[in-house]
Order: sequence, then C-alpha cells, then structure tokens
Amino acid sequence: NAGVTQTPKFRILKIGQSMTLQCTQDMNHNYMYWYRQDPGMGLKLIYYSVGAGITDKGEVPNGYNVSRSTTEDFPLRLELAAPSQTSVYFCASSYGLRDDLREQYFGPGTRLTVT
Amino acid sequence: QQPVQSPQAVILREGEDAVINCSSSKALYSVHWYRQKHGEAPVFLMILLKGGEQKGHEKISASFNEKKQQSSLYLTASQLSYSGTYFCGTEIRTSGSRLTFGEGTQLTVNP
Repeated sequence: NAGVTQTPKFRILKIGQSMTLQCTQDMNHNYMYWYRQDPGMGLKLIYYSVGAGITDKGEVPNGYNVSRSTTEDFPLRLELAAPSQTSVYFCASSYGLRDDLREQYFGPGTRLTVT
Repeated sequence: QQPVQSPQAVILREGEDAVINCSSSKALYSVHWYRQKHGEAPVFLMILLKGGEQKGHEKISASFNEKKQQSSLYLTASQLSYSGTYFCGTEIRTSGSRLTFGEGTQLTVNP
C-alpha cells in the first residue's frame, strides 16, 4: 500500500508556463483534495472531488483546474503560472462515506517555485 | 470561515503539559486534528464527531464542545517527538467532508 503519491517532488516554473501536478491513491478512497500551503501558514483547499467525474471548487481555485476520470487519480493543472502560486501543494484522500472513516491521508507534497 | 487556533506557538520542556484550542463561528459537524513536522505532510491525530465527546490515545486527547463550537487538544507529559505544528480542521454539515484549517500552533518540546 503506497497510500497517496505525488509527482514531482520539486519543480521550478517560469512565469507563464503551465504544468500538471500528479496525485494517485491506492486506498480506493472516494474523496480526494488538493491543498496549498504557503510558508508558515495553514492549508487552503483548492479543489476537491467526491468521486470519479465529480469535482468542485474550494477556497482558492483561481489559476487551477482539476479532473477526475478514475477513482485513483486526481491531477491538478496550473495554467499560466504566476509568482503567487509559489507554494507547497498537498494532495489528500479520504474514504468519506462513514463518520469513523473521514480522516484525510496526505501525500508527501510538491514544492513549486514560480520565478 | 477559518477556525481560530490559540496559542500561535508554545515552548515546553519535556514532561510538561499543553493545551491547544480551536474555535469556530459556524456550527460544526466535526473537528479534525493533524500534526505536521517540518518539511513533512500533515498526519491525522484524531477526529471529534459528537458534542462533548472526548477522545484520545496515550497522552494526547481532545474534546469537542458542540454548543460553543470549540475543540481543545491536550498533550500531557510531552515528549520530544511531540514537536511540530498542530492544525485543527473544521467541517460543517453541508460541506461534504471539506475541511477548513486553522493557521496552526507551533509546539516545541525541549529536553
């Protein structure tokens, strides 16, 4: 059981470039999430998904897009990267359907710098 | 709306106790607690689902006062391994398992 995996671990982008952050989970979780964490701050929800084919915006969705074609994968797309998107990005998943199985499991994160 | 955590930071000596508070202005369905060590991902500690419920394992426990929309995390006889940043994540009934995280409480345990 690998849990939640993210690639790449680190990336440097130039302003205006685009990229996709990959996230995969092997726990058959229904719910998946993308967060960003700026230095010394808490986690802000970007997008989330309650199942394949269903996605919704979180607190800070501008500049990002997501898709969920399978239960396992939840990629995050950055279009026209800006310095304000410099952050650490965490993907997480949870079973979600039972009260006792709502904890979120986090991937190791992707550290992104936009210059 | 983001929950408010207090204190922002606390420094302890090994063996001392600490309490971290989390309060929300909204009616909560659940409160999650996570710990994050520097450079690592957050790790789940516990979830509080019922009003007044207290949960815990070993020397870390938490309570949830549903009427006041407040949760507290209790760390007793702290160990060096408890150092890290503690986040509460709050869920409201209509949010569909979405969590809103506080800004975190940085806990440092010194020998």
